[in-house]
Amino acid sequence: DAGVIQSPRHEVTEMGQEVTLRCKPISGHNSLFWYRQTMMRGLELLIYFNNNVPIDDSGMPEDRFSAKMPNASFSTLKIQPSEPRDSAVYFCASSLARGNRDTQYFGPGTRLTVL
Amino acid sequence: GENVGLHLPTLSVQEGDNSIINCAYSNSASDYFIWYKQESGKGPQFIIDIRSNMDKRQGQRVTVLLNKTVKHLSLQIAATQPGDSAVYFCAENGPRYTGTASKLTFGTGTRLQVTL
Repeated sequence: DAGVIQSPRHEVTEMGQEVTLRCKPISGHNSLFWYRQTMMRGLELLIYFNNNVPIDDSGMPEDRFSAKMPNASFSTLKIQPSEPRDSAVYFCASSLARGNRDTQYFGPGTRLTVL
Repeated sequence: GENVGLHLPTLSVQEGDNSIINCAYSNSASDYFIWYKQESGKGPQFIIDIRSNMDKRQGQRVTVLLNKTVKHLSLQIAATQPGDSAVYFCAENGPRYTGTASKLTFGTGTRLQVTL
């Protein structure tokens, strides 16, 4: 199993530019989660999907952030326009919702730097 | 990865000793708990989990203990090795709706340093 795949692994951009982060969940998993990790705030859940439908986006910071999941094998997190305070490591995780065991498996992350 | 908070507790242990990492969780309704390990530059990696109907579960060199009375979770690592150096997070599940996965709420993490 290839695990959760994220791209790019590193992204450096200038303030005001659009940034798109990509995620391929583990095949067969039906839930997908986007997290942001910073030194100040730790690991924060931004949004999660179940069967490609957004369930909870209460963690999305503001309208500059948007996420889509057009199919079971692909999701994007877009920031437009980006700001320096968006600099963080963004993780995607997936799980197979079954009973009360909700183990999430994380990708390697995308390190975003906004100058 | 960005896993050092302003007040990230650190546990230093000698190689070969046992490590115990503690975590207090907040929601008495949580019924599933996970321990993750995060090495520098990597994503959190699943170590072991436990359901609320159990108070102990063992894996390879790791044991998780759950005390629901005081909402406390611990991770024990036997014969700690240099490769165990990482930040360890506990996580508890959130409200679950029919057919959907629940959110996980993560603790702030504990850094484990293994000295030779």
